[in-house]
Amino acid sequence: GAGVSQSPSNKVTEKGKDVELRCDPISGHTALYWYRQSLGQGLEFLIYFQGNSAPDKSGLPSDRFSAERTGGSVSTLTIQRTQQEDSAVYLCASSSGQGLYGYTFGSGTRLTVV
Amino acid sequence: KNEVEQSPQNLTAQEGEFITINCSYSVGISALHWLQQHPGGGIVSLFMLSSGKKKHGRLIATINIQEKHSSLHITASHPRDSAVYICAVSRGSEKLVFGKGTKLTVNP
Repeated sequence: GAGVSQSPSNKVTEKGKDVELRCDPISGHTALYWYRQSLGQGLEFLIYFQGNSAPDKSGLPSDRFSAERTGGSVSTLTIQRTQQEDSAVYLCASSSGQGLYGYTFGSGTRLTVV
Repeated sequence: KNEVEQSPQNLTAQEGEFITINCSYSVGISALHWLQQHPGGGIVSLFMLSSGKKKHGRLIATINIQEKHSSLHITASHPRDSAVYICAVSRGSEKLVFGKGTKLTVNP
C-alpha cells in the first residue's frame, strides 16, 4: 500500500478482555516495528520484526503481550487480559531494512481500557 | 541518563521567528532521525541524517558526529509548525531510540 495502515484506529475495551491490533506495512518493507505512546509519555519500543522473525522483542512489557508477522507483511499485536495501564496509542512503523532508509509510521491505534 | 536528550522541552515562539531544537546522544549510531507529531496526529519522518546537513523547505537539520549532537532549525516559523518534534537514533535496522520530544507552539 501507499502507507502503513493500522486498524482499528480506536478501540475501547473492558479490563480483562483480549485485543488484537493490526498493522499492514508498506509493500516490500522487510522491517516492522511496534511502539507505544502512553498519555503524556514518550515513545516506547515494543518489538521489531525482520521478515517474519522477531530478533528483538525486549520491549514487550509482560507475557500478556505477543506479536506475530505472517508472509513478511501484516503484523498483529495481541494484548491478553487487558489492564488499564495498557491504555495508550500503539504505533506501527516499517522500513525497507538495513537502516539505510527512513521509517514510515502508521496513524496508530488508540486503545482505551475501561 | 537517557541515551537521547532533547532541549528545550517546551518552546514558544512568535510567527516568523527562527527556531532551533537541539538533540544530544550518548551512543554510537548509524543515523539520527527528526520526527514531527501534530496534536492527535500520527508521526511524520522529517529527516534521516548520518552526516552533514539536510534541508527541506523551511526546515534544516544538521548533525555533528564527533560532538554527538544534532539541531533542527525552522526558518520563518508559522503557527502550522506547532507540533512535538522528536529526535531519535538508530543503529542499522534496529529499533529507534527516542528523545522525550520538544513541544513547539508558534503564536500568530
